[in-house]
Amino acid sequence: KQEVTQIPAALSVPEGENLVLNCSFTDSAIYNLQWFRQDPGKGLTSLLLIQSSQREQTSGRLNASLDKSSGRSTLYIAASQPGDSATYLCAVGDTGFQKLVFGTGTRLLVSP
Amino acid sequence: KAGVTQTPRYLIKTRGQQVTLSCSPISGHRSVSWYQQTPGQGLQFLFEYFSETQRNKGNFPGRFSGRQFSNSRSEMNVSTLELGDSALYLCASSLDGQGAYEQYFGPGTRLTVT
Repeated sequence: KQEVTQIPAALSVPEGENLVLNCSFTDSAIYNLQWFRQDPGKGLTSLLLIQSSQREQTSGRLNASLDKSSGRSTLYIAASQPGDSATYLCAVGDTGFQKLVFGTGTRLLVSP
Repeated sequence: KAGVTQTPRYLIKTRGQQVTLSCSPISGHRSVSWYQQTPGQGLQFLFEYFSETQRNKGNFPGRFSGRQFSNSRSEMNVSTLELGDSALYLCASSLDGQGAYEQYFGPGTRLTVT
């Protein structure tokens, strides 16, 4: 059974810092890995999708890497801003039919 | 292009009642998945539909059911509601039923069972 863990559970940083969020998964036979952000009481916003054959994806200040063999992914956020404050979730595509297994999330607070 | 829409956004029901939630995917998307989010269990997969067929099902009791229509809109139904069913129910859509495509989530339906 696939299990996804995110460390740290919470992170508080001052504005402008670069930061790394970690995600690990137990079964390396994944289809893809997707990073989301969730604002309080809201749905999920997709940030980046990495296919199992890819090593990294970039979008603006975000860069996500994937190392299937070690069961790890990282989300790098450059020059953090207060608007980046949210819960960040990683999710592993576990089968061919769109089943995502989610981690428990990292709650990020960026202070001005 | 309009995003994934879910109705209603908020719902209050009493234990023992049943409820139907609706999800309209992004135009052109044929796969719709449902997830339950609670503070204790996090986000858990309920089921996935593609071309009106349930392709995958999570570990939930039979009180949770769903269906998909020919226009790809989907509904999920929960019968005999329990207090523990209080949660945010999220629907996601993607282009295809295979695991290669990005999933886009709706804003969710907040269900409260009293």
